[in-house]
Amino acid sequence: GQNIDQPTEMTATEGAIVQINCTYQTSGFNGLFWYQQHAGEAPTFLSYNVLDGLEEKGRFSSVLSRSKGYSYLLLKELQMKDSASYLCAVMDSNYQLIWGAGTKLIIKP
Amino acid sequence: ETGVTQTPRHLVMGMTNKKSLKCEQHLGHNAMYWYKQSAKKPLELMFVYNFKEQTENNSVPSRFSPECPNSSHLFLHLHTLQPEDSALYLCASSQDSGGADTQYFGPGTRLTVL
Repeated sequence: GQNIDQPTEMTATEGAIVQINCTYQTSGFNGLFWYQQHAGEAPTFLSYNVLDGLEEKGRFSSVLSRSKGYSYLLLKELQMKDSASYLCAVMDSNYQLIWGAGTKLIIKP
Repeated sequence: ETGVTQTPRHLVMGMTNKKSLKCEQHLGHNAMYWYKQSAKKPLELMFVYNFKEQTENNSVPSRFSPECPNSSHLFLHLHTLQPEDSALYLCASSQDSGGADTQYFGPGTRLTVL
């Protein structure tokens, strides 16, 4: 079967760095997406990785290792507005997104 | 603002009611999707439309009936729902459903079935 695993909840401090991990087992691989979802709002696109390596966008970076079936999202200089759920999704061989259950990130002052 | 709008934002209905959810995208995309999001569960893909044609029905019960009159509009018609259908229903769009295109989401309709 297809499976995406990510921690249910994480807590971090304002100004710090946090790493959210995602491991996957899917039928084929056409890229990995990270989305941010604030409570009651739409998931918004953060990053896309299809090759091994790093993608950076401001304070957010995503890293992919296809051989390990693993990705992580790195958030730097955390701000209170970063409190949200972070969703990992893998696009399989049929170009369907397989989703993790999301990681709820709580930022404390 | 992601360019995808959904109405209503909240809906409460009884099990015998009939209601419809509406989604509109202003991004010029060709593919549209319905997802169900339940608390602490992964998003569940329900339906996919590409150029107005349904390309995916993920074994969704017939009490959910989608309609896609054009590439910009998507509806989900609801009838005789069950309490376990209470969830957040998300609409998304992408350039095409057959490639690794980013999906853009609407804010969702929070559905409660009594």
